[in-house]
Amino acid sequence: DSGVTQTPKHLITATGQRVTLRCSPRSGDLSVYWYQQSLDQGLQFLIQYYNGEERAKGNILERFSAQQFPDLHSELNLSSLELGDSALYFCASSDGTNEKLFFGSGTQLSVL
Amino acid sequence: GENVEQHPSTLSVQEGDSAVIKCTYSDSASNYFPWYKQELGKGPQLIIDIRSNVGEKKDQRIAVTLNKTAKHFSLHITETQPEDSAVYFCAVPRENNNDMRFGAGTRLTVKP
Repeated sequence: DSGVTQTPKHLITATGQRVTLRCSPRSGDLSVYWYQQSLDQGLQFLIQYYNGEERAKGNILERFSAQQFPDLHSELNLSSLELGDSALYFCASSDGTNEKLFFGSGTQLSVL
Repeated sequence: GENVEQHPSTLSVQEGDSAVIKCTYSDSASNYFPWYKQELGKGPQLIIDIRSNVGEKKDQRIAVTLNKTAKHFSLHITETQPEDSAVYFCAVPRENNNDMRFGAGTRLTVKP
């Protein structure tokens, strides 16, 4: 168990809808990262937060947004969903040094 | 930005044989090089890492070697076992050190 909690584990929705993925980092970790993993694809970096502030941005679509709250949990919002958004979404946390990342078990999103 | 290339994409070995996965990067300033293992249905898990001030690090049956001049680092697994079957990812922090970029992954299959 990595100590990173992601909910829900599975999410099935329709095109055009909006969903929210939630992540609770390991106790004491200040940084939260979001990654997207499509079928047989690598880990695509979306966005990173550190202590509530956005720290780095990757290939995140404008339809996607995220935030980190004062209690350090993070949410990833995906809107106007398309079939191609179906993927595994991982959250990871670290102590802020951008070295050892601890990953959650992921949220499997299926857009039908 | 940081380019991380990983080879091979798939690797099949007989139980007891060795497996080697190689990763090349582009940013000369990188000084931290981790390897992650992702088992089916789980998030990636850090298995070993190395810093630029050493050339090799071992942990039981796994080792990582680093060649900073050539900008590549490799994961070595000896005496492979079926439970080593997984997808392995190398990673490199981006030059601004604010996010971690992953290789495309290597699917290792260890045949009993």
